[in-house]
Amino acid sequence: DIQMTQSPSSLSASVGDRVTITCRASQSISDYLNWYQQKTGKAPKLLIFGASSLQSGVPSRFSGSGSGTDFSLTISSLQPEDFATYYCQQSYSNPPVYTFGQGTTLEIK
Amino acid sequence: QVQLQESGPGLVKPSQTLSLTCTVSGGSISSAGYYWSWIRQHPGKGLEWIGYIYFVGSTHYNPSLKSRTTISLDTSKSQVSLKLTSVTAADTAIYYCARTVGLMTTMNAYDTFDIWGQGTKVTVSS
Repeated sequence: DIQMTQSPSSLSASVGDRVTITCRASQSISDYLNWYQQKTGKAPKLLIFGASSLQSGVPSRFSGSGSGTDFSLTISSLQPEDFATYYCQQSYSNPPVYTFGQGTTLEIK
Repeated sequence: QVQLQESGPGLVKPSQTLSLTCTVSGGSISSAGYYWSWIRQHPGKGLEWIGYIYFVGSTHYNPSLKSRTTISLDTSKSQVSLKLTSVTAADTAIYYCARTVGLMTTMNAYDTFDIWGQGTKVTVSS
């Protein structure tokens, strides 16, 4: 299986900050990388697919980049509703064995 | 809009079979291009894809769970079901169903989980 490793595991930041979360794949996955946001007690929500394409309805302060093995999710100006856990997920495997990173929890400083 | 709702027992005894149902509303479970996945989240942990089914009935499972997993479809009830046999405490988790779809860019289609149910908590304990 392709292993996904996120860093940091947790991050403290303030409203208005710019934050970046990174995700590394154990092998090249081209740009088959998605990002999800999960709030406490809720299901994950798709934010970005194909490494950099914003899902419909997601605010433009979210952006993604990367290809190969290294990826990042950036929030340009943190809003109170952005404090959550973020997961990356690869969809490169064929036949599919979709795998997720372990998550990055974004906390209020 | 499409909504997914998981249901099933919240408590299952060790060695028994976990059975869950996901009811799809607001859209057709038989629409081409959509797969229906089960994903679980162990307490305080990350996400694990269990497997999916296509509307024609074809399935694909995570090799780590394949020997114990069956996903099936009842199109007349708009339901996707999960059965996981011989459960242990390690199967205690929140179980989600999620619509799986290839979202397109100009370059490629990327498999994503674009709509999720709210999840159902299953505890394995005697």
